[in-house]
Amino acid sequence: DQQVKQNSPSLSVQEGRISILNCDYTNSMFDYFLWYKKYPAEGPTFLISISSIKDKNEDGRFTVFLNKSAKHLSLHIVPSQPGDSAVYFCAASGGQNFVFGPGTRLSVLP
Amino acid sequence: DTAVSQTPKYLVTQMGNDKSIKCEQNLGHDTMYWYKQDSKKFLKIMFSYNNKELIINETVPNRFSPKSPDKAHLNLHINSLELGDSAVYFCASSQNPGLFGDNEQFFGPGTRLTVL
Repeated sequence: DQQVKQNSPSLSVQEGRISILNCDYTNSMFDYFLWYKKYPAEGPTFLISISSIKDKNEDGRFTVFLNKSAKHLSLHIVPSQPGDSAVYFCAASGGQNFVFGPGTRLSVLP
Repeated sequence: DTAVSQTPKYLVTQMGNDKSIKCEQNLGHDTMYWYKQDSKKFLKIMFSYNNKELIINETVPNRFSPKSPDKAHLNLHINSLELGDSAVYFCASSQNPGLFGDNEQFFGPGTRLTVL
């Protein structure tokens, strides 16, 4: 039972355009959400997070939106850069539970 | 000066063998974790230690035994390796215990284990 889903295994975007990565969750106990970025042969690195009491958090080119009623969050990257090409993991925590999604591979084309 | 380091980076071994993966963090964090990334790329937590004490132990075979000699180290020992143990294992650390809240985890580079 996948509590955190990232239904798009891959996404290709042109450099300079917006990248939108989606994440859905099923467990209503989750109250904190994080995005991690992973390059090949490296461990995941923290990117941005959002608490369930907010619906938006912004950090430079990265913005995370949370829609609690839909149990959906998204990561927006604008403008996308070739260095953003990586696998992005959505993660959710709450109630002593921490779950990663399967990841979405983002390719930013020059 | 790597924050979270793991050794070895690659490990190839035969079924039935016993092997260990070492993890060290120099961030001064109190909590360390082991994750397994399976063939479907899911990252799943296995164990968590806070100040050398086990606080999370997910459903993993008891062939897997974590050992924390001090709070900067969390080693993973695996007995009687099986084919299904082949995966990438990530160590991580965080300042605070518990898998909740604003508790950013820092990951090591991973150890790719291949069991033949």
